[in-house]
Amino acid sequence: AQKITQTQPGMFVQEKEAVTLDCTYDTSDPSYGLFWYKQPSSGEMIFLIYQGSYDQQNATEGRYSLNFQKARKSANLVISASQLGDSAMYFCAMRASGGYQKVTFGTGTKLQVIP
Amino acid sequence: SQTIHQWPATLVQPVGSPLSLECTVEGTSNPNLYWYRQAAGRGLQLLFYSVGIGQISSEVPQNLSASRPQDRQFILSSKKLLLSDSGFYLCAWSLRTGGTDTQYFGPGTRLTVL
Repeated sequence: AQKITQTQPGMFVQEKEAVTLDCTYDTSDPSYGLFWYKQPSSGEMIFLIYQGSYDQQNATEGRYSLNFQKARKSANLVISASQLGDSAMYFCAMRASGGYQKVTFGTGTKLQVIP
Repeated sequence: SQTIHQWPATLVQPVGSPLSLECTVEGTSNPNLYWYRQAAGRGLQLLFYSVGIGQISSEVPQNLSASRPQDRQFILSSKKLLLSDSGFYLCAWSLRTGGTDTQYFGPGTRLTVL
């Protein structure tokens, strides 16, 4: 069975600083994908970044990067130069191969950016 | 580009009343479609998914049902709402084949059952 763990229910970061949101996962499937989503107070889930289990390099998308440590089964999200608009809930998710590509979500981390 | 719509955005319904939430996707064909529910302050729970017209799979037994009458339309229904059906309902789509299988979400429907 797949499992995603986000141990930080809430975090604060100063504007313009970098912040790391933790995510660990558990799966016996050799092929899987890891995702991060942002959910602002409006509720919509916004896709941020994707990392495949066979990708050799860490994924980056603008100010977002994914620190993928396969041996440790961790996929931390790094947000550089935080902005006030980054205040939101952040969810880590995993998709294992096979079937209909079921995605398992973590419980989320609430990030608050302080001016 | 692809877009996904959900309506209504907000709904307040009495216990025992019926429910119909609609989700439509534009700009893609043969998508996988998903319904999720998010309780207040919680993560997402997958309710239903569909890989094609008329093909619905349920993840958890519940008071809800789903239908896919057209390729890009996904409907969540209930005959009689319960208090526990309150929550935020999100529809999502992903490509049927290839790619990263990233799911893209709609704006959601906030349902309150009184």
